[in-house]
Amino acid sequence: DTEVTQTPKHLVMGMTNKKSLKCEQHMGHRAMYWYKQKAKKPPELMFVYSYEKLSINESVPSRFSPECPNSSLLNLHLHALQPEDSALYLCASSQPGRGTEAFFGQGTRLTVV
Amino acid sequence: GQQLNQSPQSMFIQEGEDVSMNCTSSSIFNTWLWYKQEPGEGPVLLIALYKAGELTSNGRLTAQFGITRKDSFLNISASIPSDVGIYFCAGRSQANSKLTFGKGITLSVRP
Repeated sequence: DTEVTQTPKHLVMGMTNKKSLKCEQHMGHRAMYWYKQKAKKPPELMFVYSYEKLSINESVPSRFSPECPNSSLLNLHLHALQPEDSALYLCASSQPGRGTEAFFGQGTRLTVV
Repeated sequence: GQQLNQSPQSMFIQEGEDVSMNCTSSSIFNTWLWYKQEPGEGPVLLIALYKAGELTSNGRLTAQFGITRKDSFLNISASIPSDVGIYFCAGRSQANSKLTFGKGITLSVRP
């Protein structure tokens, strides 16, 4: 199994809603990532979890709240988002250190209305 | 901060042609990666390079890690329509550091 699975694939939410994005991998990877990607731009790193602990927060607004319940799961909780937060949200996983590079999920296409 | 330069932004080729893409940096990277992304999908890892001078192939794709550790190239031979997509280079300066992505090159293949 070399997949990173993200749900849902598409999400439309209002600015007052609370929603969560989910990510799962069963490759035994101990590093998991959230990226945000705007159209025709490269992915931008948001958060990194290493061994289930938050190791990097790229100054992301608090309306995005990550959670890593166990080594296979990664969530991104969303609250009070703005229309400019509409983007493709990508989850990735890797083994910390060299030799196992980041495998990306299909992404969740988020639209904030 | 670190930046990777990929240009041009778009490339248009005829089916069957070979194409080469470069990625350059002003600083040294110890890992170079090439990803392909199709519409509505996440990036897919094509080739990973770990040693200066390393040349690695994956089917019709060949990538090289530059000797100076400041560049890498990706060659696609005998292009086919399904090669269409955005090709990103990415680099890592040391183990456990963040990936730096290039801006990507959008490849179009005319049948």
